[in-house]
Amino acid sequence: QVQLVESGGGVVQPGGSLRLSCAASGFTFSSYGMHWVRQAPGKGLEWVAFIRYDGSNKYYADSVKGRFTISRDNSKNTLYLQMNSLRAEDTAVYYCAKDRRAAAGNWFDPWGQGTLVTVSS
Amino acid sequence: AIQLTQSPSSLSASVGDRVTITCRASQGISSALAWYQQKPGKAPKLLIYDASSLESGVPSRFSGSGSGTDFTLTISSLQPEDFATYYCQQFNSYPQWTFGQGTKVEIK
Repeated sequence: QVQLVESGGGVVQPGGSLRLSCAASGFTFSSYGMHWVRQAPGKGLEWVAFIRYDGSNKYYADSVKGRFTISRDNSKNTLYLQMNSLRAEDTAVYYCAKDRRAAAGNWFDPWGQGTLVTVSS
Repeated sequence: AIQLTQSPSSLSASVGDRVTITCRASQGISSALAWYQQKPGKAPKLLIYDASSLESGVPSRFSGSGSGTDFTLTISSLQPEDFATYYCQQFNSYPQWTFGQGTKVEIK
């Protein structure tokens, strides 16, 4: 059974940093691209970042470009999101999600349960 | 960037009603559209992919249609467990993905 479990969320001050992790199981992690998606309280879904199966290419939403870094460790079946220079508007539940097919550029399935990041002084 | 506009933003319906949600893309995306259902405090769940393909395990009362710029999600007979928020998502413009703003389906 495919499973994604996020961790690392919490409360951080504006300008601070946080690293999220997503532990994957139940599938060949090294064969699939992976995404981070976020949802601000009471708001809709926003795609944040994508990394190809081998880590060779990384893409970001304009709202986080230059501040967030997506990475992966295929030996540990784990996806990461390093978040720097955090702002109040980064407050959200952060989900990791698997790209559905081995070839990139598809829909997302499944999703993890999410981890809450709160940026506040 | 491709934008997706869902309508309505919310609706009230009764059990047994037929419900239709629309998603319009700002430019053509072929059939590269998915639909998700999200319940409060839970992660989104895939319902439909490639605009009209029903995900395994999803009840057949859910269906999707459309191509190009106009898409619909239809629930043929609304059930109590279907009260949720629904999102469309386009995956045509790799490597950028976008979601609609969501449609909340509430109990009348």
